[in-house]
Amino acid sequence: DVKVTQSSRYLVKRTGEKVFLECVQDMDHENMFWYRQDPGLGLRLIYFSYDVKMKEKGDIPEGYSVSREKKERFSLILESASTNQTSMYLCASSYTGGNSNYGYTFGSGTRLTVV
Amino acid sequence: GQNIDQPTEMTATEGAIVQINCTYQTSGFNGLFWYQQHAGEAPTFLSYNVLDGLEEKGRFSSFLSRSKGYSYLLLKELQMKDSASYLCAVRDRSGGSYIPTFGRGTSLIVHP
Repeated sequence: DVKVTQSSRYLVKRTGEKVFLECVQDMDHENMFWYRQDPGLGLRLIYFSYDVKMKEKGDIPEGYSVSREKKERFSLILESASTNQTSMYLCASSYTGGNSNYGYTFGSGTRLTVV
Repeated sequence: GQNIDQPTEMTATEGAIVQINCTYQTSGFNGLFWYQQHAGEAPTFLSYNVLDGLEEKGRFSSFLSRSKGYSYLLLKELQMKDSASYLCAVRDRSGGSYIPTFGRGTSLIVHP
């Protein structure tokens, strides 16, 4: 069964801490994505990556950075966590190709609370 | 970008049929996805439409009209386990990114 695995299901961090959220996929997908999901706001794209060492900003990149050193792993970094970054974080991956009818495969999510 | 609009919440009775609508505005339409998300879980892929018409997959069907910027997800013979949030996502090829934009989701409550 193909999978996208996020390292933590729940995290509690203090304001100002550096936070790493890890995501690993075993489908050899080229594309990987980080979203946050908040009530009433839906899924918002933070960063995405088309290839190793490649990254692109999404709609809300402020306060975040990413790293993709290997094809299967895409990390989201909160350089200095703030309370407004309390959210559900979802990683996803997909095949490349603009006309692909493959949807995303999502990880189970990490619920981050910043106190 | 895209403006994607879907109802916030719907309720229906077990065994009934429900239609969840999604309207969108985009300059370079390149496909529409529907996802199901149970509370506390990841979204799962339900359907994909890129041409006009109806795609049927068991109890679930998805319809697309590109000229109207409109899609719906039809759920038949509703079951309690269908209570979930349903997300509409539209892919736009303008700008070359092909990244889908998600609507805010429709929370469906199925009651006995």
